[in-house]
Amino acid sequence: GAVVSQHPSWVICKSGTSVKIECRSLDFQATTMFWYRQFPKQSLMLMATSNEGSKATYEQGVEKDKFLINHASLTLSTLTVTSAHPEDSSFYICSAREVSVIPDSGANVLTFGAGSRLTVL
Amino acid sequence: AQSVAQPEDQVNVAEGNPLTVKCTYSVSGNPYLFWYVQYPNRGLQFLLKYITGDNLVKGSYGFEAEFNKSQTSFHLKKPSALVSDSALYFCAVRDNQMNRDDKIIFGKGTRLHILP
Repeated sequence: GAVVSQHPSWVICKSGTSVKIECRSLDFQATTMFWYRQFPKQSLMLMATSNEGSKATYEQGVEKDKFLINHASLTLSTLTVTSAHPEDSSFYICSAREVSVIPDSGANVLTFGAGSRLTVL
Repeated sequence: AQSVAQPEDQVNVAEGNPLTVKCTYSVSGNPYLFWYVQYPNRGLQFLLKYITGDNLVKGSYGFEAEFNKSQTSFHLKKPSALVSDSALYFCAVRDNQMNRDDKIIFGKGTRLHILP
């Protein structure tokens, strides 16, 4: 089945540094990838929709200059947390939807990465 | 706007008993509905989906869900719970009439505890 690899799984960084998280679809092409943030005991908060070859669409309240998203190919999207601060510490999860195999791509299942836990000291 | 509600933060069930995790939704058109499961420090795993057709959908690990249009619900069920079913469960919805904005909206999650 479809597999999404997310790297790194864990990252600890100092305040003020930038951290890049990669999301790769290993055995399928994904025109659309989604980035979520999950707080402890909370639901997934959609941060942005990443579209291959175009700018990401950010959800209301998400700072696009803080969370840089790049989707340079059909198999890779990256999230860069710039000038990270302790309040950015969280569990970040990406998901990918395969290039539509049925007419309505919305019915296709999302495949999720295993998540990346960011701790900013 | 589409939304999903999971009214229970936590559900406790004895092993071997049937379980139900509740989900209600709101969309302007017809829904695509999904259930996902998350184990600690992991991403989400797909369990099942409703697109069209039979209201009773069967999925992975013996789970099933029933689409009820009149009640706008999509409750997750399993006839006999296992301790290994203990996890965080998310219901999700997408409006199938939203051609450009294909976001899937997740509920807040329900933590399922299966008691041995």
